[in-house]
Amino acid sequence: AQTVTQSQPEMSVQEAETVTLSCTYDTSESDYYLFWYKQPPSRQMILVIRQEAYKQQNATENRFSVNFQKAAKSFSLKISDSQLGDAAMYFCAYRSYGQNFVFGPGTRLSVLP
Amino acid sequence: NAGVMQNPRHLVRRRGQEARLRCSPMKGHSHVYWYRQLPEEGLKFMVYLQKENIIDESGMPKERFSAEFPKEGPSILRIQQVVRGDSAAYFCASSPQGNGYTFGSGTRLTVV
Repeated sequence: AQTVTQSQPEMSVQEAETVTLSCTYDTSESDYYLFWYKQPPSRQMILVIRQEAYKQQNATENRFSVNFQKAAKSFSLKISDSQLGDAAMYFCAYRSYGQNFVFGPGTRLSVLP
Repeated sequence: NAGVMQNPRHLVRRRGQEARLRCSPMKGHSHVYWYRQLPEEGLKFMVYLQKENIIDESGMPKERFSAEFPKEGPSILRIQQVVRGDSAAYFCASSPQGNGYTFGSGTRLTVV
């Protein structure tokens, strides 16, 4: 069975600085997707970034980028120029095609002014 | 497009009562997924439905929980005889064909 691990229950970053959230996963599949979701106190699950496993190029979305290491089964999220609005729970998630999501336990990110 | 609509947003039930959670998928989406989020945890898969069919219920507790997605109307997650351990946020997601998921805002169930 696939598993997703986030080893940092909590992280903090100074406003305008850069922070990296870690994620590792376990799978025997070769084709799959990886995601980072943000969950603010409103509880809404907001897609931050998505990576297809067959793509070697790391995905980027404005201030958010990933470091995808397929052989190491690692998928970290880097947030640059952190803003107060980035404070939230961040969940790493795995999904193979047509299957349900497997989520990690989450990392609570605080942004310090 | 109103997105995935879940209601109610908050639901309080006494132990032993029934809870009914509703999910209206995005227009054109025929696949619905239910997830449960316990406090301070990630979302855990419960059930995957298409119109009038349960495709995968491997994450559903064997007793007291059921789900349906009728031909007309929203998908319903039903929990009978609720217990305190059922208190959680329940999320619905929909997709057109198994990809391109959109999550709803969840229903927070509190059992008192």
